[in-house]
Amino acid sequence: DGGITQSPKYLFRKEGQNVTLSCEQNLNHDAMYWYRQDPGQGLRLIYYSQIVNDFQKGDIAEGYSVSREKKESFPLTVTSAQKNPTAFYLCASSTWTGNNYGYTFGSGTRLTVV
Amino acid sequence: AQSVSQHNHHVILSEAASLELGCNYSYGGTVNLFWYVQYPGQHLQLLLKYFSGDPLVKGIKGFEAEFIKSKFSFNLRKPSVQWSDTAEYFCAVNFYYNTNAGKSTFGDGTTLTVKP
Repeated sequence: DGGITQSPKYLFRKEGQNVTLSCEQNLNHDAMYWYRQDPGQGLRLIYYSQIVNDFQKGDIAEGYSVSREKKESFPLTVTSAQKNPTAFYLCASSTWTGNNYGYTFGSGTRLTVV
Repeated sequence: AQSVSQHNHHVILSEAASLELGCNYSYGGTVNLFWYVQYPGQHLQLLLKYFSGDPLVKGIKGFEAEFIKSKFSFNLRKPSVQWSDTAEYFCAVNFYYNTNAGKSTFGDGTTLTVKP
């Protein structure tokens, strides 16, 4: 079955460390997105990519970085510059024809800073 | 900046009650509208969407939503809820201006608890 795989499901990070969250899709979707979900705050866009080798900052990109070297993959790195990284991170993908017709989401990664 | 508001943060209903969850957005231009649902322990999934045409759209599991352009609203409704509708519901909007096409802005979500 086609879908989005995020790994790991849970991740613990020490202060000052960079960590990378994986997101892989086999839906042949052009566009991929990273959102952060905090309790009571809904989903906020971190980065998105509509084509390989290109990506754009979202509303809360500071302290994060991404790459899009393959259509299937859109990893997110949470750097030590991110001041409050503890959150639930969701990856999504969609078809892209100048519009998205609805996202397919992964199961998420819960990151905790210890 | 454009925003999406869901005024009900937590709704508690008994089975068979009717449901209406509010969603409003701030933007006078072209929008596309979505409702997503996250059942306990499951992925976020698309419930329904509006792009054009009939402003009353029907989704899965008996849900429907009505786009009222004059009120900047896209409220979600279900005539009779079931215990299995217990979930978190998110409204999302694509705002079309300049290069902002194609990415969704989400509301804060509404947690629905249905008592058996």
